[in-house]
Amino acid sequence: KNEVEQSPQNLTAQEGEFITINCSYSVGISALHWLQQHPGGGIVSLFMLSSGKKKHGRLIATINIQEKHSSLHITASHPRDSAVYICAANKETSGSRLTFGEGTQLTVNP
Amino acid sequence: DAGVIQSPRHEVTEMGQEVTLRCKPISGHDYLFWYRQTMMRGLELLIYFNNNVPIDDSGMPEDRFSAKMPNASFSTLKIQPSEPRDSAVYFCASRLTGSYQPQHFGDGTRLSIL
Repeated sequence: KNEVEQSPQNLTAQEGEFITINCSYSVGISALHWLQQHPGGGIVSLFMLSSGKKKHGRLIATINIQEKHSSLHITASHPRDSAVYICAANKETSGSRLTFGEGTQLTVNP
Repeated sequence: DAGVIQSPRHEVTEMGQEVTLRCKPISGHDYLFWYRQTMMRGLELLIYFNNNVPIDDSGMPEDRFSAKMPNASFSTLKIQPSEPRDSAVYFCASRLTGSYQPQHFGDGTRLSIL
C-alpha cells in the first residue's frame, strides 16, 4: 500500500462543475503539498499546508490531520484547469524529502 | 525573476554514453532537489542538497548516478554509463529555507536512451 494515495486516478468534468480530488496518507507528516502538472510537463506548487484550509482564486485545499486526509477543490472549473494534480507529503521522519501520490488526471470539457 | 533553469530540455543518446543534466536554482534558494518522473513510478526524489551539501541521496538508483553542487548557483546530475531504463523526465527544483516554503520546479529534461 502506498503511503500517499490519491483518488480518483482520472476525472472528467464539464466546464463549470465543482471538482474534488482526494489524498489520503498513512504516515505522520509535517506538511502536505498539492502540485499541478500541465500537459506541457511543467510542475507548479499550488499549496503547502499543515492544518486547516487555504484558498487561492478558484482553488481550495483542506487538510484533516486526525483523519490523515486532504482535499483539493476547484470551483467553477474551466478547460484550462485540465492537468495532473499531485499530492505529496513531507513525512515527519524524512526531512525535506517528499513522498508523492500517483496523481489525478483531470480533464475539463467545454 | 528567472525561475529554475534546466538544460538541456531534451537529450537523446545511445546507451553507454555519459549524460550530464544541469540545473541553475533560483538565486537565494538554499535547497535544491533532483527528481525523476516515469510513467511506471511517477515522481521520485533522487537527491537533495542544502547549502550545496548533499543531505539525502537515498533515492539515487545506483552508482551510475552522481550529483554535484559545486556552488550555490549550479548543480549537475550525471549518468555514466546510461541505460535505456534511465529514460525519463528529470526535474530540478529549489526552495528557500523555512518549514513552509514551496518548491519551484524547472521545466525538466526529457531524456531518451536508445
